[in-house]
Amino acid sequence: EVQLAESGGGLVQPGGSLRLSCAASGFSFYNYWMTWVRQAPGKGLEWVANIKEDGNEKYYMDSVKGRFTISRDNAKNSVYLQVNSLRAEDTAVYYCARLGRKDYGWLPPDSWGRGVLLTVSS
Amino acid sequence: DIQMTQSPSSLSASVGDRVTITCRASQGISSYLAWFQQKPGEAPKSLIYGASTLQSGVPSKFSGSGSGTEFTLTISGLQPEDFATYYCQQYIYYPLTFGGGTKVEI
Repeated sequence: EVQLAESGGGLVQPGGSLRLSCAASGFSFYNYWMTWVRQAPGKGLEWVANIKEDGNEKYYMDSVKGRFTISRDNAKNSVYLQVNSLRAEDTAVYYCARLGRKDYGWLPPDSWGRGVLLTVSS
Repeated sequence: DIQMTQSPSSLSASVGDRVTITCRASQGISSYLAWFQQKPGEAPKSLIYGASTLQSGVPSKFSGSGSGTEFTLTISGLQPEDFATYYCQQYIYYPLTFGGGTKVEI
């Protein structure tokens, strides 16, 4: 069974940093692209970042470029989101998800974690 | 960026109804369209990709159609567990973008 478990959220002051983690199990992690999607309180879903199986390709939404970094450790079956220079508008539940697999590239998420809350406030 | 517009933003329905949700893209996205279901306090659940291909384990009462700029999600025989918010997402161009959601209420 595919399992994704996020951790590392909490309350951070504006301008602060945090690292979100997502531990994967139940599948061959190194064969899958991974993604982070966030949801501000009472709002819709917002894509944040994608990372390729080997970590050599990364893509970000514009408002987090230069502030957030997605990474992975295939030996630890984990994907991370380093979040820096945090703003109030980054407050959200952050979900990690596994992207579907195809021969070249990826498909939309097929499995999701339960999410972790990041609150940016003074 | 590609804008995804869902309509309606909410709808009221009854158990047993057939409901249709529309998602429009601001430019053509071929069939690179996915649908997700989310219940309050829960993570999203993936329903459909490629505009019409059901994810594994998703019941056939869910169906998707469309290509280019206009897409629909249809739920047949609405059951209590189907009352939720539904989102579309385009995944052909970065940044990937979601629609604003459609809340299906009793």
